[in-house]
Amino acid sequence: DQQVKQNSPSLSVQEGRISILNCDYTNSMFDYFLWYKKYPAEGPTFLISISSIKDKNEDGRFTVFLNKSAKHLSLHIVPSQPGDSAVYFCAASAAHGANNLFFGTGTRLTVIP
Amino acid sequence: DVKVTQSSRYLVKRTGEKVFLECVQDMDHENMFWYRQDPGLGLRLIYFSYDVKMKEKGDIPEGYSVSREKKERFSLILESASTNQTSMYLCASRLSSWTRDTQYFGPGTRLTVL
Repeated sequence: DQQVKQNSPSLSVQEGRISILNCDYTNSMFDYFLWYKKYPAEGPTFLISISSIKDKNEDGRFTVFLNKSAKHLSLHIVPSQPGDSAVYFCAASAAHGANNLFFGTGTRLTVIP
Repeated sequence: DVKVTQSSRYLVKRTGEKVFLECVQDMDHENMFWYRQDPGLGLRLIYFSYDVKMKEKGDIPEGYSVSREKKERFSLILESASTNQTSMYLCASRLSSWTRDTQYFGPGTRLTVL
């Protein structure tokens, strides 16, 4: 059963506009969340993370928002650039156990010049 | 910079062959992981290793085994390759289980089983 879900397989956005990628999770034990970006023929690269003690974390053009009550997080990219076109994976881990990551199915973002 | 390398970018094998996928990391990380990525399914954990000679099954270990004889190297073995093991295989490493460090991924091996 998928504990981390990304319900939008793809998203297209005009250059300069905001991209919003969404992620839902079911396991209430998850307390650390990450976003990875993946280009074709490359491995995923870490983008940004957030701990459950926060509701927002910002790094340049990238901001992640966490809504614990809704078990929902989102990644905002402002402004979007053509180089942001990639597959974005949401991932989550729990404090106990092995801290292994559970990944969503990914959202393919296309930024149109 | 952490570097995770995988022995092959593309591999074509026949059904029934024994397949070895190799992964090497250069940052003295304790933990290493093998995932497969399939369209619509995301990344699924096959096996992980806490440390040398230590391994744990992930979500989809059936048909796979692993070996970690040295800290820097983690091998994924397909004992008898089948067509449903055609996939992108990704290796990752992480400093340790005791930190919330991110995992660093290799470039992946696209395996095709005919």
